[in-house]
Amino acid sequence: EAQVTQNPRYLITVTGKKLTVTCSQNMNHEYMSWYRQDPGLGLRQIYYSMNVEVTDKGDVPEGYKVSRKEKRNFPLILESPSPNQTSLYFCASSLLPGQGNVYRYEQYFGPGTRLTVT
Amino acid sequence: SQQGEEDPQALSIQEGENATMNCSYKTSINNLQWYRQNSGRGLVHLILIRSNEREKHSGRLRVTLDTSKKSSSLLITASRAADTASYFCATDARDNYGQNFVFGPGTRLSVLP
Repeated sequence: EAQVTQNPRYLITVTGKKLTVTCSQNMNHEYMSWYRQDPGLGLRQIYYSMNVEVTDKGDVPEGYKVSRKEKRNFPLILESPSPNQTSLYFCASSLLPGQGNVYRYEQYFGPGTRLTVT
Repeated sequence: SQQGEEDPQALSIQEGENATMNCSYKTSINNLQWYRQNSGRGLVHLILIRSNEREKHSGRLRVTLDTSKKSSSLLITASRAADTASYFCATDARDNYGQNFVFGPGTRLSVLP
């Protein structure tokens, strides 16, 4: 079954304790992305990756790191979490169009990770 | 930067009625997509419309795109209680080479039985 998985689904942690949220997709997608969702703000993009070893900042990258060492995995790292990073996090992936083609494909989303930082 | 803005923020209708949601954006785009989210769950892609298309249909969904007004609408016909969800539009900005997506804050639709 084609899917995007995230772990953990729920996490409560304390300020400053490093954590990693994993994301994995089995669809051989080049593009992967992390979003956070907060009430009234919709989804905001944190980081995205066009392919292995290619990552770039989204709209709200501060306080986050990512890596893309394998095509299927795109972990989100919070080196020193703070309470303002309490949020619902989503990982997503999609195919990329061929070179010179600007038209995109739909994104497939994971089930979400609800993070609480106290 | 917030690109897409949905309108209204919340919509409540009776089962069988049509629901219309609007999305406005600020910069030129390559594509506009609509997604649906059931409470607290991941988003599910509904429909994609390219910048050179004006209307697209998928089942009970109809999407229009007006690039001159930088706006799109999503129409759900003959709504059902199961359509209750939040709906988001997402754009990839042309001046960003289409690399990242920007979502609006969403419209929360309630379909009453």
